[in-house]
Amino acid sequence: DTGVSQNPRHKITKRGQNVTFRCDPISEHNRLYWYRQTLGQGPEFLTYFQNEAQLEKSRLLSDRFSAERPKGSFSTLEIQRTEQGDSAMYLCASSFKATNEKLFFGSGTQLSVL
Amino acid sequence: KQEVTQIPAALSVPEGENLVLNCSFTDSAIYNLQWFRQDPGKGLTSLLLIQSSQREQTSGRLNASLDKSSGRSTLYIAASQPGDSATYLCAVEGPGGTSYGKLTFGQGTILTVHP
Repeated sequence: DTGVSQNPRHKITKRGQNVTFRCDPISEHNRLYWYRQTLGQGPEFLTYFQNEAQLEKSRLLSDRFSAERPKGSFSTLEIQRTEQGDSAMYLCASSFKATNEKLFFGSGTQLSVL
Repeated sequence: KQEVTQIPAALSVPEGENLVLNCSFTDSAIYNLQWFRQDPGKGLTSLLLIQSSQREQTSGRLNASLDKSSGRSTLYIAASQPGDSATYLCAVEGPGGTSYGKLTFGQGTILTVHP
């Protein structure tokens, strides 16, 4: 296992379409996080999972966003009815335990909404 | 609400110089502070993690210090090289009461090391 894997790397979509991103964490990591990063800014927390349980969601995660982690392995992030403001890099990270652990990030999915 | 600020926003230095990047945070009740490196269009790589009870961490040419009471951290890079060119991000976990693993990031410092 070489690290956190995210697919696709790039996604271009038209406004109003639905998109889904996938994240495969490091296999022994039971915590998985989603962050969003816009140009020139640091990443912002969206949500995280402990195994299959989604334990917290940011207020940034509107009703159009949904994340799942079935069976506590890979995770998906779906955005419905995309808007131009959704254009950003979506980053996934994983860690082994709760705190004082380095987070390992994937390379991200760059979303462009036209 | 925790806020993290990084200064300077951008830095350009000649190869071989020693340099310091600064990070400040508003709420000192943190679990830890991490420094990350991000190359253009890529994800983040964790460089150093300093727990709240620690004062500094070192890895190779990198040294990070933490003064929790004053809400400050510095990342010192010795003998800079062109390969060090990247965006450096500071992030804190906490304050206490927030979710473990929920990081608050600064906006980053864009470092360019020219030959």
